[in-house]
Amino acid sequence: DQQVKQNSPSLSVQEGRISILNCDYTNSMFDYFLWYKKYPAEGPTFLISISSIKDKNEDGRFTVFLNKSAKHLSLHIVPSQPGDSAVYFCAASYYTGGFKTIFGAGTRLFVKA
Amino acid sequence: DAGVTQSPTHLIKTRGQQVTLRCSPKSGHDTVSWYQQALGQGPQFIFQYYEEEERQRGNFPDRFSGHQYPNYSSELNVNALLLGDSALYLCASSSRKVGKSQPQHFGDGTRLSIL
Repeated sequence: DQQVKQNSPSLSVQEGRISILNCDYTNSMFDYFLWYKKYPAEGPTFLISISSIKDKNEDGRFTVFLNKSAKHLSLHIVPSQPGDSAVYFCAASYYTGGFKTIFGAGTRLFVKA
Repeated sequence: DAGVTQSPTHLIKTRGQQVTLRCSPKSGHDTVSWYQQALGQGPQFIFQYYEEEERQRGNFPDRFSGHQYPNYSSELNVNALLLGDSALYLCASSSRKVGKSQPQHFGDGTRLSIL
């Protein structure tokens, strides 16, 4: 039961260009969405989030877009830098007496210099 | 300000054995969640502890159990280990006092290998 799907296992982008990572979800109960970045041998690190009452959130080079009707969110990185090369996880959560957070399988981003 | 710490970093066990993994949450956090991350997959939610009780549980068998202590640290116990339990086990912490919409902070995980 994959409630959160990242259909692209990998993405390769040239330095300075835009990286767009996509994520789809199926559970309408999700009301908080997050992106995490993970380097090898480290735990996931929080990158940016968005509440279901918004459709866009920006933080520096990172912007997350949420399309609730399509149950789709995307992460835009502009401009992409070699240090952005990592695995990116999309996550969605809802609260029912405790938080339940579901992660996608991840997209490995390669930013070429 | 210490982040989330997990121990041990690596562990090797054989089938049928039992294992205990430990987690200390980030300073100021009172909620701990455990995740299992198999190779090539995203973290899978196991359960969440708050006020020393299990509050939410994912689709994992009863062989997976946990505990939270008064100082908010937590343990993950797995009994009757199977080869399929080989994975990276991640602990994440957060604070219920902040509100419901907040990111979790992750430790670097315990790599468990079952022979």
